[in-house]
Amino acid sequence: GQQVMQIPQYQHVQEGEDFTTYCNSSTTLSNIQWYKQRPGGHPVFLIQLVKSGEVKKQKRLTFQFGEAKKNSSLHITATQTTDVGTYFCAVINQGGKLIFGQGTELSVKP
Amino acid sequence: NAGVTQTPKFQVLKTGQSMTLQCAQDMNHEYMSWYRQDPGMGLRLIHYSVGAGITDQGEVPNGYNVSRSTTEDFPLRLLSAAPSQTSVYFCASSRTLADTEAFFGQGTRLTVV
Repeated sequence: GQQVMQIPQYQHVQEGEDFTTYCNSSTTLSNIQWYKQRPGGHPVFLIQLVKSGEVKKQKRLTFQFGEAKKNSSLHITATQTTDVGTYFCAVINQGGKLIFGQGTELSVKP
Repeated sequence: NAGVTQTPKFQVLKTGQSMTLQCAQDMNHEYMSWYRQDPGMGLRLIHYSVGAGITDQGEVPNGYNVSRSTTEDFPLRLLSAAPSQTSVYFCASSRTLADTEAFFGQGTRLTVV
């Protein structure tokens, strides 16, 4: 079935540094979603990418969908302590199921 | 508008006990699903439903049953709890499957001893 690999698993940064998490698939994706889960919380939808090469921005967050629609990235510029949490990508597999990557846990040192 | 409501928030079970995790949504969403979250494993799909009366298995369905008698409710049943089912469980719903965001409940932290 559809597998989506997300790297890195953990990322520790100093406040103000940038952060990037990557999501990779072996097959072409119809779309990809990104979620954020704060410590002790539940996943919250951030954005969905649909078009090849699409780039979307939300303040300091930049989301990108690869040209081949097999990979995606989430980049945070100048991290803040409020960015702490786990970031997940999610895709719909060929069976119509919403499958999540393993997540990247971000910690930010003030 | 409550969104997705999960109960209970915490539960401790003894091995072999059964229980039902409740999930209800008030957004008239067609698609509902259950995930379990374990350290380093991300969110793994247990069962899902694309509408009332329709359910299907996800990635890790063994030991769990679901039913969808109404659009609003999607309970998850543990038939005979095992320590391997210790996890955090999330229910989610979305308007349709294909291209809409999923809304998650607050989660149920289950410990099986």
